[in-house]
Amino acid sequence: ETGVTQTPRHLVMGMTNKKSLKCEQHLGHNAMYWYKQSAKKPLELMFVYNFKEQTENNSVPSRFSPECPNSSHLFLHLHTLQPEDSALYLCASSQEYRGLVETQYFGPGTRLLVL
Amino acid sequence: GQNIDQPTEMTATEGAIVQINCTYQTSGFNGLFWYQQHAGEAPTFLSYNVLDGLEEKGRFSSFLSRSKGYSYLLLKELQMKDSASYLCAVRVYGGATNKLIFGTGTLLAVQP
Repeated sequence: ETGVTQTPRHLVMGMTNKKSLKCEQHLGHNAMYWYKQSAKKPLELMFVYNFKEQTENNSVPSRFSPECPNSSHLFLHLHTLQPEDSALYLCASSQEYRGLVETQYFGPGTRLLVL
Repeated sequence: GQNIDQPTEMTATEGAIVQINCTYQTSGFNGLFWYQQHAGEAPTFLSYNVLDGLEEKGRFSSFLSRSKGYSYLLLKELQMKDSASYLCAVRVYGGATNKLIFGTGTLLAVQP
């Protein structure tokens, strides 16, 4: 248990569906992240939020839409996804102070399959 | 560009020692992390190096040479539960915040 939870753990959706992934951290951190992990590929950073403000969008397609209502919660809204978007989506959090990011703690991930 | 290389797979025997290497070429360097990830689980933090040298933490040690762009993770007295993927990640300066660049991970299989 890392103090970062994600729901759902598994998700199957069609290309026309709309779904949302949820992440919650119980560590008092001020930065949260979404990563994509595909087979045989490195973890890819998607979005970064610091103090609820998005500070990084790593050229992610607009069919992925993040939302950070407060420093403990992070959502990833999904719509009209493609089969190649099937992957493990990991959320992480860390404490950041003056641009220095401390160790990131990861949630268990959501395994997404797009049909 | 950012590039991190580590072997794709390794096999070792229970009770033995294994060294997992990581080389990197990145624009900016602000520390190197090692994470362990069991299948279907979250990556968990193992070690962090920002200065050259060896950091020891129980059965796990991590070494860094910044001039060579090189790190290794050393696992001693291997146990079956050490079978997992080991991720090397470099922290770089980027935009409004630092960020982690990950390698593809090394899948370690520990055999009896």
